[in-house]
Amino acid sequence: EDKVVQSPLSLVVHEGDTVTLNCSYEVTNFRSLLWYKQEKKAPTFLFMLTSSGIEKKSGRLSSILDKKELFSILNITATQTGDSAVYLCAVSRGSTLGRLYFGRGTQLTVWP
Amino acid sequence: DGGITQSPKYLFRKEGQNVTLSCEQNLNHDAMYWYRQDPGQGLRLIYYSQIVNDFQKGDIAEGYSVSREKKESFPLTVTSAQKNPTAFYLCASSTTKVNTEAFFGQGTRLTVV
Repeated sequence: EDKVVQSPLSLVVHEGDTVTLNCSYEVTNFRSLLWYKQEKKAPTFLFMLTSSGIEKKSGRLSSILDKKELFSILNITATQTGDSAVYLCAVSRGSTLGRLYFGRGTQLTVWP
Repeated sequence: DGGITQSPKYLFRKEGQNVTLSCEQNLNHDAMYWYRQDPGQGLRLIYYSQIVNDFQKGDIAEGYSVSREKKESFPLTVTSAQKNPTAFYLCASSTTKVNTEAFFGQGTRLTVV
């Protein structure tokens, strides 16, 4: 059975802290790993990772994939209250292009 | 503006009634998806369609039905056979290329009373 596991499920930090969110996966015919941010309703796309060891960056957010160890991390530096959201990790497989398999998400709360 | 439109945003229904959730996209995407999200849970796939007039069951299809008569539209019907229909429903679309991301609508929150 395919699995995508995120940890921690919940995290509370203060503004300015750095956080690391984890995502491990076990799927056959892996193609890519995606990170989404969900604030209230629609998840919004953050990163897609397909190759090991290549960091993707966007401002204070960065992510990297380890295809050998089957995991990815999402880092957020100098957190702000606007980073409070659920962060979802999803994996795509080659046999069903476009279909995503999601983890349960990490609920991040940033206090001022 | 290109995007995905779900309607309505909030829906209340009595137990035993069927209800249809609308999803329309103008991104010219071939594939469309319906996910269900419960509190503290990730997104679980109900149905998906990669081409007009064809669709496949996802992981939790029981009690749901869909149709794909037009490329732009993928309505979801929650039937009375669905045991616990109260949830947040998200529609998404994507291309069918390798390594493509999915784009999501704003969701419909269904409450059955």
